[in-house]
Amino acid sequence: DGGITQSPKYLFRKEGQNVTLSCEQNLNHDAMYWYRQDPGQGLRLIYYSQIVNDFQKGDIAEGYSVSREKKESFPLTVTSAQKNPTAFYLCASSIGQGIYTQYFGPGTRLTVL
Amino acid sequence: SQELEQSPQSLIVQEGKNLTINCTSSKTLYGLYWYKQKYGEGLIFLMMLQKGGEEKSHEKITAKLDEKKQQSSLHITASQPSHAGIYLCGADSKSFSNSGYALNFGKGTSLLVTP
Repeated sequence: DGGITQSPKYLFRKEGQNVTLSCEQNLNHDAMYWYRQDPGQGLRLIYYSQIVNDFQKGDIAEGYSVSREKKESFPLTVTSAQKNPTAFYLCASSIGQGIYTQYFGPGTRLTVL
Repeated sequence: SQELEQSPQSLIVQEGKNLTINCTSSKTLYGLYWYKQKYGEGLIFLMMLQKGGEEKSHEKITAKLDEKKQQSSLHITASQPSHAGIYLCGADSKSFSNSGYALNFGKGTSLLVTP
């Protein structure tokens, strides 16, 4: 079955640690996105990638980094520079650039201890 | 600033009742998406509207985009417990001169359906 997988579902991090969230898709989509969801604030864009080896900052990229070495994979690293990383992280993908539907993964809940 | 306004923020309806959720933009929308989310889960795509006056339906859910392409409504007929969740509208960022083709989202409407 085609879809988007995110792992782990729950992640706990100590302050000062970097952690990497995985996002994999087998939909053959060119574009991938990372969003952060906080209670009462909706979704906010962290990074997006329209093609392999290229990615762009979104509205809240500070403290995060990404890579896009393969079409299927778009991992997100939450660095120690991110001041308030506790949130629900959602990965999405779409066929390409333009007005195409984005499909979302199940999400990863990150908690900083 | 929040560019997509959803109303109401939350809604409690009795099973079998109809309800409407609104999504309003100050700018013309090039693509308007409706998603549903269960708590702690990912977003499920419901419908996408592009043309002014467009209306789409899926089972008991109908979404409309007004002629000016600045407001959309989501209407649920004869609500059921399975309709409970958070409904989010998202708009193509081209409407807001933002990041590439990512989506800007409203804050969501939380729906609870009581027996």
